[in-house]
Amino acid sequence: GAGVSQSPSNKVTEKGKDVELRCDPISGHTALYWYRQSLGQGLEFLIYFQGNSAPDKSGLPSDRFSAERTGGSVSTLTIQRTQQEDSAVYLCASSLITSHNSPLHFGNGTRLTVT
Amino acid sequence: AQSVTQLGSHVSVSEGALVLLRCNYSSSVPPYLFWYVQYPNQGLQLLLKYTSAATLVKGINGFEAEFKKSETSFHLTKPSAHMSDAAEYFCAVSEGQAGTALIFGKGTTLSVSS
Repeated sequence: GAGVSQSPSNKVTEKGKDVELRCDPISGHTALYWYRQSLGQGLEFLIYFQGNSAPDKSGLPSDRFSAERTGGSVSTLTIQRTQQEDSAVYLCASSLITSHNSPLHFGNGTRLTVT
Repeated sequence: AQSVTQLGSHVSVSEGALVLLRCNYSSSVPPYLFWYVQYPNQGLQLLLKYTSAATLVKGINGFEAEFKKSETSFHLTKPSAHMSDAAEYFCAVSEGQAGTALIFGKGTTLSVSS
């Protein structure tokens, strides 16, 4: 079946512009995660959605970052007033259940470049 | 809050040599521990996981890891490296409670030379 789909795969934007990154998780997966991957920093946790519970936003680096998950499915990560340090690969992952006996399935990421 | 430290951002071994990638964790409750692998130009995939059953966990491609509570470690090993093992490896920890995110380390890049 289809895996986790992220769009766009690449995004180049000018400093100060807003961007939206989209994630389509695997159908039926209740948990959805956003991570940021940059050189030397590994995978930085951003936000975690679990079913209908309030999301864990503890990893968002600033108030310029926000995310929504509509209808328990598609998620959008929004970065307002982008800065050069926001350049990274943004990864989305989903899992079937939240007990962590279910592995995370990762998308291929969106490579964001802020010029 | 839970955290993970991977010792060594880059490990180089010869083909056929032992692979040892180190991971230490911090958790206030018994953790769930994972290793994920990212091959060049591919997405991350689960290599193996520890979820409080056997302390020695076997994963794909001949890798295994041992949970040592006394050392708060979950090191990844493989007896004999293969060229195809060259990848980036990430250790991750979760406190296992519903609503707890999976926290990753900064990764270790494994290079294998012939």
